Amino acid sequence: NAGVTQTPKFRVLKTGQSMTLLCAQDMNHEYMYWYRQDPGMGLRLIHYSVGEGTTAKGEVPDGYNVSRLKKQNFLLGLESAAPSQTSVYFCASRPGPAPEQFFGPGTRLTVL
Amino acid sequence: AQRVTQPEKLLSVFKGAPVELKCNYSYSGSPELFWYVQYSRQRLQLLLRHISRESIKGFTADLNKGETSFHLKKPFAQEEDSAMYYCAPQWVPNTGNQFYFGTGTSLTVIP
Repeated sequence: NAGVTQTPKFRVLKTGQSMTLLCAQDMNHEYMYWYRQDPGMGLRLIHYSVGEGTTAKGEVPDGYNVSRLKKQNFLLGLESAAPSQTSVYFCASRPGPAPEQFFGPGTRLTVL
Repeated sequence: AQRVTQPEKLLSVFKGAPVELKCNYSYSGSPELFWYVQYSRQRLQLLLRHISRESIKGFTADLNKGETSFHLKKPFAQEEDSAMYYCAPQWVPNTGNQFYFGTGTSLTVIP
């Protein structure tokens, strides 16, 4: 099993550009999460999903959109990137009843 | 609002010395508490959860409801313990499926 994978690993954007980060998991997990990690701020939840076709806002959702069209994939979109969105983005998944989250390797995004 | 505080951003201890990573939370409910660890060039992974009352890699964590703390402890630090540690309470049922992570403590064990 590959577990949780994230594409791409690195990306540099210019202000105003758009992009989509892909998270995929092969563990048949119900719940999926997107976090951003910033120095001194820890991990903050952007959006999450409790199942295929559902999404919900987390702690810092502004400027991001998500979609969960397939159970195994959770997409994070930036419609108009801003320098404040420079961060490391982590995706995680977990099975329905168990609380343990399984994390992807992260995507380092720089917005110039 | 729920808040998680890890007061030390950086913590250095010598090999063989005891180590304690602090985590305080502010919420009147009863959270379920977790510690996650991120070793260098590895992904974040679960270290332990308080409900299981187990010791993982020599680490233990005690929930102190009176002080609303969940400090992570190890009596004798090892070099391989050097990593980033995150405290993560989950307040059920209010936040349901959301997790709040602390700001993290970077632990360095000096040989």
